[in-house]
Amino acid sequence: AQTVTQSQPEMSVQEAETVTLSCTYDTSENNYYLFWYKQPPSRQMILVIRQEAYKQQNATENRFSVNFQKAAKSFSLKISDSQLGDTAMYFCAFMKPKGNEKLTFGTGTRLTIIP
Amino acid sequence: SAVISQKPSRDICQRGTSLTIQCQVDSQVTMMFWYRQQPGQSLTLIATANQGSEATYESGFVIDKFPISRPNLTFSTLTVSNMSPEDSSIYLCSACHSYEQYFGPGTRLTVT
Repeated sequence: AQTVTQSQPEMSVQEAETVTLSCTYDTSENNYYLFWYKQPPSRQMILVIRQEAYKQQNATENRFSVNFQKAAKSFSLKISDSQLGDTAMYFCAFMKPKGNEKLTFGTGTRLTIIP
Repeated sequence: SAVISQKPSRDICQRGTSLTIQCQVDSQVTMMFWYRQQPGQSLTLIATANQGSEATYESGFVIDKFPISRPNLTFSTLTVSNMSPEDSSIYLCSACHSYEQYFGPGTRLTVT
């Protein structure tokens, strides 16, 4: 079974600074997907970024980028030029594509952007 | 992507009653999922719902307590049966599209 670990329960950073959220996972699979989701106080889960394990290039989406280290089973999220609207819970998640496509979530990191 | 709506957005129910939550997707999807989330906690998968077959339940969740219907490729329901205060939680549905899961806004359930 897969496990996902987020070791930072809470983080805070000044607006406009850069912050990195950590995630590690454990799996025996070679092909899989990794995701970061954002959940603001409105509780809507929003997909931030996706990484396919077979791709060596790190995924980027505007101010969001990942550092995917497959051998180390590490998948961190970097938020550049942080904004007040980035305040949210962030969840790392794992999906094994050839199966029933269910997600395994980490415990989450509560990120607060300080004005 | 997929846009997902849920009804109701919140409800307060009495112990021993049942509540059915509806989930509608704006496109046809094979897999739909139901999660439970306690406030401030992560998401726990209840079951996977495929159209035309029985739902697959995760350990700790049973069909008698959480019956699920999946009548077509855009709709699913989750019923929380014989509720107790321990069932107070947020219930979210999601749908998988091109190996990405999209979530509904959730249903906040309070059992008194």
